[in-house]
Amino acid sequence: AQTVTQSQPEMSVQEAETVTLSCTYDTSESNYYLFWYKQPPSRQMILVIRQEAYKQQNATENRFSVNFQKAAKSFSLKISDSQLGDTAMYFCAFMTNTDKLIFGTGTRLQVFP
Amino acid sequence: DGGITQSPKYLFRKEGQNVTLSCEQNLNHDAMYWYRQDPGQGLRLIYYSQIVNDFQKGDIAEGYSVSREKKESFPLTVTSAQKNPTAFYLCASSTTPTENYGYTFGSGTRLTVV
Repeated sequence: AQTVTQSQPEMSVQEAETVTLSCTYDTSESNYYLFWYKQPPSRQMILVIRQEAYKQQNATENRFSVNFQKAAKSFSLKISDSQLGDTAMYFCAFMTNTDKLIFGTGTRLQVFP
Repeated sequence: DGGITQSPKYLFRKEGQNVTLSCEQNLNHDAMYWYRQDPGQGLRLIYYSQIVNDFQKGDIAEGYSVSREKKESFPLTVTSAQKNPTAFYLCASSTTPTENYGYTFGSGTRLTVV
């Protein structure tokens, strides 16, 4: 079975600091896609960043970047220069060619002033 | 603007009643999905549909039913057979293949059994 594990239920960081959220997954597939979604208190799911497994280069979107380690099946999210608006639940998700997204249980991030 | 509309935002159901959650999209997406979100459990897939008049069960389909008569619409019925329906329900859509865009989500429906 394909699974996604987020081992940090809660994290906190001070404004302007950097924080890393962990995610591991399990699959026997060789071609797949990985995503990080953000769910703020409004509960709207927002795509933060995505990574194709066949690309070795780590994806980057402004202050958000990933550390993709395919052999270790690890996909961590780094948030630089944290802002109060980054406070949210963050979900790691995995997709194969079935087009179904499989989500982790989420990490609640609190950014403090 | 294109997007996904879920209604109602809040829904209360008496035990033994069936209720239907609405999901409409104007993104011209082929695929649509229903997820259930519970605290500490992430999002779990209930049903999905990749084409009109066809749908498949997800991981937790028991006690739920869906229809896909139009490309734009994918309503979810929570039946009285669902033993613990209180949860937050999210609808999503995507083009197929989806890998370039991920999913677009609606704003959700909070269902409470009273």
